[in-house]
Amino acid sequence: DAGVIQSPRHEVTEMGQEVTLRCKPISGHDYLFWYRQTMMRGLELLIYFNNNVPIDDSGMPEDRFSAKMPNASFSTLKIQPSEPRDSAVYFCATKRAGGLEQFFGPGTRLTVL
Amino acid sequence: AQSVTQLDSQVPVFEEAPVELRCNYSSSVSVYLFWYVQYPNQGLQLLLKYLSGSTLVKGINGFEAEFNKSQTSFHLRKPSVHISDTAEYFCAVILYNTDKLIFGTGTRLQVFP
Repeated sequence: DAGVIQSPRHEVTEMGQEVTLRCKPISGHDYLFWYRQTMMRGLELLIYFNNNVPIDDSGMPEDRFSAKMPNASFSTLKIQPSEPRDSAVYFCATKRAGGLEQFFGPGTRLTVL
Repeated sequence: AQSVTQLDSQVPVFEEAPVELRCNYSSSVSVYLFWYVQYPNQGLQLLLKYLSGSTLVKGINGFEAEFNKSQTSFHLRKPSVHISDTAEYFCAVILYNTDKLIFGTGTRLQVFP
């Protein structure tokens, strides 16, 4: 079985540009989580979905960040406009309904110049 | 508010020596406890988890952890480490009846030959 798939693995962009990160969950997993990892703040939950519906977006830092899950096989995290302080590794994780273990993707390393 | 504290940001150790990575948590409700490992440039992988029952849990790669409710701790141990155990280790909790993983700040284990 394929694990959680994230693309791109690396993204370098300039301040002010729009950035879109993508995640394909494990088939059959109903929950999808977006995390951000930085040296200063560690691992932070940004938002999570259940059955494609956003459940908790209290971790989304500001309006520049948005996330969608148009179907069970795909989610995006968008930053518009991007800023240097958004530089981080962004992880997607998924889990089954009723399960506790979250399965993490390899992450997208974002660098905003 | 709930929190997870990993007391050591870095733990250097020689190969074949024992190691303990410390984790304490604070919560007013019951929690489930996890240890994740992150190898360089990779996502997080579950090492082990405590849900209920025996307080000593065994995980992958020879790691084990003991849940101590009175001390609100969940320390990770391995009797003999290998070079390949060099990685970042994260302790995390999920509050009972929620889906959100709360991570500690991580401990970098560096194993020297």
